[in-house]
Amino acid sequence: RKEVEQDPGPFNVPEGATVAFNCTYSNSASQSFFWYRQDCRKEPKLLMSVYSSGNEDGRFTAQLNRASQYISLLIRDSKLSDSATYLCVVRDTGNQFYFGTGTSLTVIP
Amino acid sequence: EPEVTQTPSHQVTQMGQEVILRCVPISNHLYFYWYRQILGQKVEFLVSFYNNEISEKSEIFDDQFSVERPDGSNFTLKIRSTKLEDSAMYFCASSEDHSTDTQYFGPGTRLTVL
Repeated sequence: RKEVEQDPGPFNVPEGATVAFNCTYSNSASQSFFWYRQDCRKEPKLLMSVYSSGNEDGRFTAQLNRASQYISLLIRDSKLSDSATYLCVVRDTGNQFYFGTGTSLTVIP
Repeated sequence: EPEVTQTPSHQVTQMGQEVILRCVPISNHLYFYWYRQILGQKVEFLVSFYNNEISEKSEIFDDQFSVERPDGSNFTLKIRSTKLEDSAMYFCASSEDHSTDTQYFGPGTRLTVL
């Protein structure tokens, strides 16, 4: 059983495009939700937390649907620097964090 | 900007040897974590640590693993008798408190077991 599932991609999009990533989680009691980005051979870095009301940070919008156990990330006006692997992360009722396998994004000039 | 640091950046060891991976979390953080990432695979939670004791651990964190906060700054992961399959990138992370959840990751230690 996979706690967190993501489409691995890869997603190859032109600069300026809008791209959306999806993630599902298995534990309905999960408490907290995040999107991280990971560059090749680097550590994960927090992109944004995800709240039930949805949240936006510049070109990035995250949504959470607890009923469907579904999390999304939308990137508008893609930049070359957005090329990375995007990790969906879920914290369960304790203090254990589950990472998805990540979705690879390449933004093409 | 404060950051989590880890040493060494790369550790090569022989199978069966003990290794200690070191981390210095951000100074005012109270929660500490170890993760591993086998090449090409997902990041996997190993253990969380708070108030000088383990608060959560995964199935991966068996008796071969231990963690310690030997002083006020270091947080270590010990693998007693390394196996080939322990080869991975090991990330340390810390967070200020439980409610914020925001974890800051160190740059990782690449462990290679020969």
